[in-house]
Amino acid sequence: EPEVTQTPSHQVTQMGQEVILRCVPISNHLYFYWYRQILGQKVEFLVSFYNNEISEKSEIFDDQFSVERPDGSNFTLKIRSTKLEDSAMYFCASSELAGVSETQYFGPGTRLLVL
Amino acid sequence: KQEVTQIPAALSVPEGENLVLNCSFTDSAIYNLQWFRQDPGKGLTSLLLIQSSQREQTSGRLNASLDKSSGRSTLYIAASQPGDSATYLCAVKGGYQKVTFGTGTKLQVIP
Repeated sequence: EPEVTQTPSHQVTQMGQEVILRCVPISNHLYFYWYRQILGQKVEFLVSFYNNEISEKSEIFDDQFSVERPDGSNFTLKIRSTKLEDSAMYFCASSELAGVSETQYFGPGTRLLVL
Repeated sequence: KQEVTQIPAALSVPEGENLVLNCSFTDSAIYNLQWFRQDPGKGLTSLLLIQSSQREQTSGRLNASLDKSSGRSTLYIAASQPGDSATYLCAVKGGYQKVTFGTGTKLQVIP
């Protein structure tokens, strides 16, 4: 069964460093998403992406975040200058559709720790 | 702003018991509601999706209902098994693509 994959599974970085989290969505999906989950808290929406542009973003997704689909298979989340509070599990998701019958499929996540 | 709440926060039941997990949301203008399970340190697995025009969906031992007007959904698990132990999340799609997640119910099924 097709699945969303994410790399790396764990990343440790120093505060102020840039990190890039990578995702490979399911191949025929057109809509891509990033979510984060701070330890012990809710899963939070960050951004959605369709047709090579951001279609919706939350207030969390500020100027230090960016997303890109650099080729036909990868979808990346870049954090330019990491802060301690960016430590969280980051989930990528994809969906074939974006309507009422859409099911989002999630990857296993990247656990980011900022020191 | 959509708020999604799940009750109870944690639940422990003996194997074989039927159980109900609750989800409530504040804004009834939703596209759909999705139930997920999350295993420790893992990603989210989609269980059921109910469109805004639907009242319920079933998959195996799982049945999810939706009452949009009252802002409520329930996930019914029949004949619970130890393998059902996980955190169950409901997620509401309100805007074009934004999904709001609930606080989760941590379920433990005791053999």
